Amino acid sequence: GENVGLHLPTLSVQEGDNSIINCAYSNSASDYFIWYKQESGKGPQFIIDIRSNMDKRQGQRVTVLLNKTVKHLSLQIAATQPGDSAVYFCATRGSFQKLVFGTGTRLLVSP
Amino acid sequence: KAGVTQTPRYLIKTRGQQVTLSCSPISGHRSVSWYQQTPGQGLQFLFEYFSETQRNKGNFPGRFSGRQFSNSRSEMNVSTLELGDSALYLCASSSEPKSDEQYFGPGTRLTVT
Repeated sequence: GENVGLHLPTLSVQEGDNSIINCAYSNSASDYFIWYKQESGKGPQFIIDIRSNMDKRQGQRVTVLLNKTVKHLSLQIAATQPGDSAVYFCATRGSFQKLVFGTGTRLLVSP
Repeated sequence: KAGVTQTPRYLIKTRGQQVTLSCSPISGHRSVSWYQQTPGQGLQFLFEYFSETQRNKGNFPGRFSGRQFSNSRSEMNVSTLELGDSALYLCASSSEPKSDEQYFGPGTRLTVT
């Protein structure tokens, strides 16, 4: 079946550093990719998305890179802040338009 | 605009009981999806409803069911609860089933003892 995996369960960075969170997916037919942020006690919050016809998209302090050749997705957070501490999920839309989520990477930002 | 609301936020049940969780989507949103989130399995898709019809279903046993009302509010039901059903149940709404952006509620934390 389809699966989405994240490379690291936990990523620890210093405040001000850039963070890179990686994700791999299996379904080559996936056409839409999303990054979510989930803070403790809350539901996932949309951060940024990218379609398969693009390889890079930038938002405010965040950039998503898509490499369809190796089925890899990354989220880059510039100048990471303590408020960025959360669990980050990637999700892909594949068969039957369902979203398939990765297991999440916990980002820990220390001052 | 109010966000997605879920009730109750926390619930404790015993094995064998059944439970009903409720979700009110963002006003104007007609598609509601349900997910189960556990530490081991992550976020797993349960089902999706649009205009009171189930459009999509994940790989969960028949003990998990849902429905959607004419006002787009949705409920999910789990019968004969098992310990492994302990999880955070998340509801997400979107304007239509193929809409790209889903908005999640805070979830209902279900503990089965």
